[in-house]
Amino acid sequence: AQSVAQPEDQVNVAEGNPLTVKCTYSVSGNPYLFWYVQYPNRGLQFLLKYITGDNLVKGSYGFEAEFNKSQTSFHLKKPSALVSDSALYFCAVNYGNMLTFGGGTRLMVKP
Amino acid sequence: EAQVTQNPRYLITVTGKKLTVTCSQNMNHEYMSWYRQDPGLGLRQIYYSMNVEVTDKGDVPEGYKVSRKEKRNFPLILESPSPNQTSLYFCASSWTSGSPYNEQFFGPGTRLTVL
Repeated sequence: AQSVAQPEDQVNVAEGNPLTVKCTYSVSGNPYLFWYVQYPNRGLQFLLKYITGDNLVKGSYGFEAEFNKSQTSFHLKKPSALVSDSALYFCAVNYGNMLTFGGGTRLMVKP
Repeated sequence: EAQVTQNPRYLITVTGKKLTVTCSQNMNHEYMSWYRQDPGLGLRQIYYSMNVEVTDKGDVPEGYKVSRKEKRNFPLILESPSPNQTSLYFCASSWTSGSPYNEQFFGPGTRLTVL
């Protein structure tokens, strides 16, 4: 069975500093990995995905993620955080016809 | 505007009273799914549908039913709700049945409270 772990419930970062939100996964075969973001009182929005190819994936709003097969990780990154990036972030792995999510990480960006 | 809609957005009900949460998408997506979101647990998949008349269980299907009679609609039915089904529910859809590559589009959510 597949699983996703987000080891940090919350990440705090100052505006303008780089941010990292961590994600590790466990899946048989090739992983298809996603990051979604949830703003307050909203549904989830797609940020980026890794299917194959380049290990550094670029997505919406200046976010990127680095796929590391040996460490089974897919960390979300952004070079310079904005206050408006504050939200709940979910990592997910697609296996077969199902999507399995991590528990979510709340990102707080302070001015 | 391309979107997934859910109704109602908020619902308070009592144990045992049957309810239906509707989900509709206007993007002609083959794949539709229901999730529940609980604090610390992320989103867990309840049921999904690969296409019309094709549904399958997700990780937490107990206590729920679904149907897919039309491509655009995927209602979630709670025949006899219980307090442990109090949660935030999301419907989602995506292109191309069976493809692992396509991102899902999510509805705005339905907050259900079962007393």
